[in-house]
Amino acid sequence: NAGVTQTPKFRVLKTGQSMTLLCAQDMNHEYMYWYRQDPGMGLRLIHYSVGEGTTAKGEVPDGYNVSRLKKQNFLLGLESAAPSQTSVYFCASSYSSGGPYEQYFGPGTRLTVT
Amino acid sequence: GNSVTQMEGPVTLSEEAFLTINCTYTATGYPSLFWYVQYPGEGLQLLLKATKADDKGSNKGFEATYRKETTSFHLEKGSVQVSDSAVYFCALSDTSGGSNYKLTFGKGTLLTVNP
Repeated sequence: NAGVTQTPKFRVLKTGQSMTLLCAQDMNHEYMYWYRQDPGMGLRLIHYSVGEGTTAKGEVPDGYNVSRLKKQNFLLGLESAAPSQTSVYFCASSYSSGGPYEQYFGPGTRLTVT
Repeated sequence: GNSVTQMEGPVTLSEEAFLTINCTYTATGYPSLFWYVQYPGEGLQLLLKATKADDKGSNKGFEATYRKETTSFHLEKGSVQVSDSAVYFCALSDTSGGSNYKLTFGKGTLLTVNP
C-alpha cells in the first residue's frame, strides 16, 4: 500500500515550457486535490476532484489545468510555466463519506521555473 | 468565508520544554478541526483531529481541545523532543453546505527543538 505518490519529485522548467505532474493513490479514494505551498502562505488549493471525470477550481486555479480520467490518478498541467509558479506542489486524497474528511498527502514535487 | 489563524513562528524550544501553538478559526458552520505535521522534505501527515465542541484530539503526546466559545484549537505537548522539529498546520473542514470535504489551512508554524 503506497498511499499517495507523486512524480516527478523535482523539476526545473524554463519560462513558457509545459509539464504535467502526476498523482496516484491506491486507497480507492473518491476525492483528490492539488495544493501549492509557498513560504508564509500555507497550503492553497489549486484544483480538486470529487470523482472520476469531474474537476473543479480551488482558490488559485489560474495557469493550471487538471484531469481525472481514472479514479486513482489526478494530473496537474502547466501549459506555459511562469516564475510565479515556482513552488512545492502537493497532491492529496480523501474518502467521500463518513467524515471528517482526513486528507492523505503525497511527498510533494518541487518545481522551479527560471 | 472560512479562515484559520495560527501563531507565527518560528518557535524554538529546548528538549523537554512545554509547547503551545495557538490556533483560532472562523467558520460559517460547524467545522471539524485538524492539526497536520510536516517533517522536513515530506508531505503533511494528520497529527490529530476533533469533530465537535469540547472534543479533545490526541496523538504522540500532543493534544488539542475544540473550544467553540473561543473558536480555538490550540496544540500542546508537555515535553517536546528533537524529533518533534517540524512545521505544524492547523486546518478546518466546514461541515455546512456542499464543500465539507475541503480543508482550509493556517500558514504553518515552524518548530525547532534543540537538544
